[in-house]
Amino acid sequence: GIQVEQSPPDLILQEGANSTLRCNFSDSVNNLQWFHQNPWGQLINLFYIPSGTKQNGRLSATTVATERYSLLYISSSQTTDSSVYFCAVAQTGANNLFFGTGTRLTVIP
Amino acid sequence: DVKVTQSSRYLVKRTGEKVFLECVQDMDHENMFWYRQDPGLGLRLIYFSYDVKMKEKGDIPEGYSVSREKKERFSLILESASTNQTSMYLCASIRQGTDTQYFGPGTRLTVL
Repeated sequence: GIQVEQSPPDLILQEGANSTLRCNFSDSVNNLQWFHQNPWGQLINLFYIPSGTKQNGRLSATTVATERYSLLYISSSQTTDSSVYFCAVAQTGANNLFFGTGTRLTVIP
Repeated sequence: DVKVTQSSRYLVKRTGEKVFLECVQDMDHENMFWYRQDPGLGLRLIYFSYDVKMKEKGDIPEGYSVSREKKERFSLILESASTNQTSMYLCASIRQGTDTQYFGPGTRLTVL
């Protein structure tokens, strides 16, 4: 299967700072999603972004499929952004996702 | 809104017991998945199903089986639970040919 690497594994920020989370993957994909995991363990969709750029409020994501990476940007971080963020990809022709091990973001007041 | 539900949020079982984890989705999705999540390992795919009565092994199927008798329901079965199956189990579904995979709230299983 595809290898998915996320960096950094842990990130601690002051409230108001901006952050960039990175996801590298080892093969061509037709599906890339960013999730965050709520305190009760549920994965919540943030973006479906196999290529291009999308924005949703303070969050945006960019995927450069030809270079096999995706970036999740969080601007003006708030303490409520503290969570574990996962990147997941699926190979062309498949639906099953391969996950990275996540980035744990902690935003301190 | 897509809704994926799982039968239990927390479950405690004893070694050797047969365990059933149920997942139901209400959006007529063809594809359903079972993952387990362990610290430092991320999510790993156990089994998936792309249609009723169809199943495919994922990355770590050993010790598990599945059942999909109805389109909306996908069951994960631990035939004889072992302590190394203590984990968080997450179910997901997606409509064929679409983009976003939706997850249930998870079942945290402890095997004593």
